[in-house]
Amino acid sequence: RKEVEQDPGPFNVPEGATVAFNCTYSNSASQSFFWYRQDCRKEPKLLMSVYSSGNEDGRFTAQLNRASQYISLLIRDSKLSDSATYLCVVIPWMDSSYKLIFGSGTRLLVRP
Amino acid sequence: DTGVSQDPRHKITKRGQNVTFRCDPISEHNRLYWYRQTLGQGPEFLTYFQNEAQLEKSRLLSDRFSAERPKGSFSTLEIQRTEQGDSAMYLCASSFGGQEGYEQYFGPGTRLTVT
Repeated sequence: RKEVEQDPGPFNVPEGATVAFNCTYSNSASQSFFWYRQDCRKEPKLLMSVYSSGNEDGRFTAQLNRASQYISLLIRDSKLSDSATYLCVVIPWMDSSYKLIFGSGTRLLVRP
Repeated sequence: DTGVSQDPRHKITKRGQNVTFRCDPISEHNRLYWYRQTLGQGPEFLTYFQNEAQLEKSRLLSDRFSAERPKGSFSTLEIQRTEQGDSAMYLCASSFGGQEGYEQYFGPGTRLTVT
């Protein structure tokens, strides 16, 4: 079983739609959680960190459920520019390297 | 541009040849990471340096792979006797040390094709 699992999609939505991605992680002792965005043939870039209390950044809301080992990302009012692959990322507990463990990514296509 | 840079951006090589990639991290970052990404997958951790010390290597890093960061600045990743399965994007990332330094900044990657 992969350490971080995501639905690969693609999610094909119209502009203005609300879309949600989910991610599960297997290591209950994971310490930190993130969503990264990766455009086609580009490097990953940090979209947002995910906190236990949930957090919001503009149209983006991230939630963490430690009991269910589940992370979510909600995008409201989708824009064409939101089309990308969204990578769920975990840092294992007590890992002094802080290496990132990535899911395989969920592809989002926003159509006009 | 003060971001992470990688060279070359693309490399095509024949099976059995050796290749070397370079990464220049953000200058004040003391942590440097190498990842490998294949099509349809997320990046996978290969190795990690804190300053010049290589502190962790993944089991993905076979003995054909070697990485160095001689002066705690730039890093090189060498693959000897390349195989077709080595074809991938090799990504370098850097970050500050410590608990506040979680965010890793990635370079544009080196895309390796082994024919």
